[in-house]
Amino acid sequence: SYVLSQPPSVSVAPGKTATITCGGNNIQTKSVHWCQQKPGQAPVMVVYADSDRPSGIPERFSGSNSGNTATLTITRVEAGDEADYYCHLWDNSGDQWVFGGGTKLTVL
Amino acid sequence: EVQLVESGGGLVQPGGSLRLSCAASGFKFDDYGMHWVRQAPGKGLEWVSGINWNSGGFGYEASVRGRFTISRDNAKNSLYLQMNSLRAEDTAFYYCVKDIRGSYYGRFDYWGQGILVTVSS
Repeated sequence: SYVLSQPPSVSVAPGKTATITCGGNNIQTKSVHWCQQKPGQAPVMVVYADSDRPSGIPERFSGSNSGNTATLTITRVEAGDEADYYCHLWDNSGDQWVFGGGTKLTVL
Repeated sequence: EVQLVESGGGLVQPGGSLRLSCAASGFKFDDYGMHWVRQAPGKGLEWVSGINWNSGGFGYEASVRGRFTISRDNAKNSLYLQMNSLRAEDTAFYYCVKDIRGSYYGRFDYWGQGILVTVSS
């Protein structure tokens, strides 16, 4: 089955840019989505279809997808962005949704 | 306002059964695919199962296939997950999730707050 790899943790200072990667075999051919989960809360989509933002999500959140890596970028990071972030996609060949292991973003 | 409210969780012994329900409101339920996604305590997200708007198609994660059954009742705006032969590794919060399309391979849209299933003797 298709495997997505994320770094377990990323740390960034307030006001700086956070980059969270999601690796997968030729992932550029797939549509990658990202959700944010804060402690004790249900996940919330922050980027879908590689680089689109749902309504209500700040422009500080953006995504890209090329080669074997999809990337979630958060600019001007705020304390409120501290959360777990999960990439996920639909795997046609496996007929299933696949999640990455998640990345804990810590705002220093 | 879209609302998804899970119920039916709790403590069950290994090998036992449990049926989760999800009551949906705030949208036209029979237009959309639906999912169950779970999260073991302190762990990551895992898709469990999905179902099309008309129950004409569904899918399962490999470890639950043959043990879990997803279903829906559009007249009652409800989604279900029948879980049999439960194992300790099925212990998790189970989320009811709406798809943006009528299939179960669009993308996740709205999430419920989740309900805890604990499998232990």
